[in-house]
Amino acid sequence: QVQLVESGGGLVKPGGSLRLSCAASGFTFSDYYMSWIRQAPGKGLEWVSYISSSGSTIYYADSVKGRFTISRDNAKNSLYLQMNSLRAEDTAVYYCARDSGWYPYWGQGTLVTVSS
Amino acid sequence: QLVLTQSPSASASLGASVKLTCTLSSGHSSYAIAWHQQQPEKGPRYLMKLNSDGSHSKGDGIPDRFSGSSSGAERYLTISSLQSEDEADYYCQTWGTGIGVFGGGTKLTVL
Repeated sequence: QVQLVESGGGLVKPGGSLRLSCAASGFTFSDYYMSWIRQAPGKGLEWVSYISSSGSTIYYADSVKGRFTISRDNAKNSLYLQMNSLRAEDTAVYYCARDSGWYPYWGQGTLVTVSS
Repeated sequence: QLVLTQSPSASASLGASVKLTCTLSSGHSSYAIAWHQQQPEKGPRYLMKLNSDGSHSKGDGIPDRFSGSSSGAERYLTISSLQSEDEADYYCQTWGTGIGVFGGGTKLTVL
């Protein structure tokens, strides 16, 4: 069965960095697009970033452009999100999701807290 | 601009039916959407992909009580025989080229 497991969340100070990982299993990872989606406490879902199956095409939400970098390692069945220059408003649970335009599979999420 | 609009809240009685609405912005009435459910303190769960013609494909293990339909720019999620575990937030979602768009979500209360 499809499994997506995020890790790497935690507490970080404003201006700091964090790298999230998403380990995929149960499907041929290299065949699928992937996305990161986040949810601030008490708020709705917000798409963050997308990467194509080969990694050649990438998109970001305006709110993270220039600060976050999405990448993948198809040999390791893993998706990453490098987050730099973190702000308080980046505090959220971050989910990775398999992307077919819609998101048929989601991870359980990892919490990122940006606070001094 | 591609925008999805949902009512913030809805309520219905245990055992009854409820119909949630998601409205696509002007010029985007042909877009397909997806419905996702988020129970309290849990991650989102994919319910179905819903096309403009009302055809839909559900996720693994989604009960027959959940169905979708479409009319113009409106996309609907109908839940019949409401159960307590259906109390959740429901998000509609669509996409542009690589870019995901979410509605604000509807909080469903089962009375």
